[in-house]
Amino acid sequence: AQSVTQPDIHITVSEGASLELRCNYSYGATPYLFWYVQSPGQGLQLLLKYFSGDTLVQGIKGFEAEFKRSQSSFNLRKPSVHWSDAAEYFCAVGPFGNEKLTFGTGTRLTIIP
Amino acid sequence: DVKVTQSSRYLVKRTGEKVFLECVQDMDHENMFWYRQDPGLGLRLIYFSYDVKMKEKGDIPEGYSVSREKKERFSLILESASTNQTSMYLCATLSGVNTEAFFGQGTRLTVV
Repeated sequence: AQSVTQPDIHITVSEGASLELRCNYSYGATPYLFWYVQSPGQGLQLLLKYFSGDTLVQGIKGFEAEFKRSQSSFNLRKPSVHWSDAAEYFCAVGPFGNEKLTFGTGTRLTIIP
Repeated sequence: DVKVTQSSRYLVKRTGEKVFLECVQDMDHENMFWYRQDPGLGLRLIYFSYDVKMKEKGDIPEGYSVSREKKERFSLILESASTNQTSMYLCATLSGVNTEAFFGQGTRLTVV
């Protein structure tokens, strides 16, 4: 069965500092990997996705993620966070066609001035 | 832009009531999903549908049913609401392979 682990429940970062959110997955075949962001009171918005090809993918809002098959990881990074990045972030893994996306438990990001 | 609209942002219902949560999408997507979101548990799939009148159980279908009579509308039904169904419910759609899922803004349901 597929699964996603986000080991950090809550991360606090100073504005302007770099950010890395961790995601580890378990999936038997080639995974399709996603990062979503949820601002307070909102639905989920896609930040970026990986299907194949270049293992470093760029997303919206200055985020990027790197797929590392050997480590079963898909960590999200941003070189300099902004106060507006405070939100909850979800990593997800799915099979071909996204029929059953499995989400991690989320990481809540707090930004301090 | 894809629009996924959930009929209510907030709902308060009594234990034992029959509850309908409605989701409408405007982009002719085949697949529609219902998730519930709880703190510390992330998003868990309740049901999904890949075509009109078709449905598949997700990971936590107990206590729920769904209806999809038209392609654009996917309803989640709580036959007899219970307090442990107090949660945030999220509807999502996607058009097919290698695409992203689009989410509604969620319905926060409180069962008292």
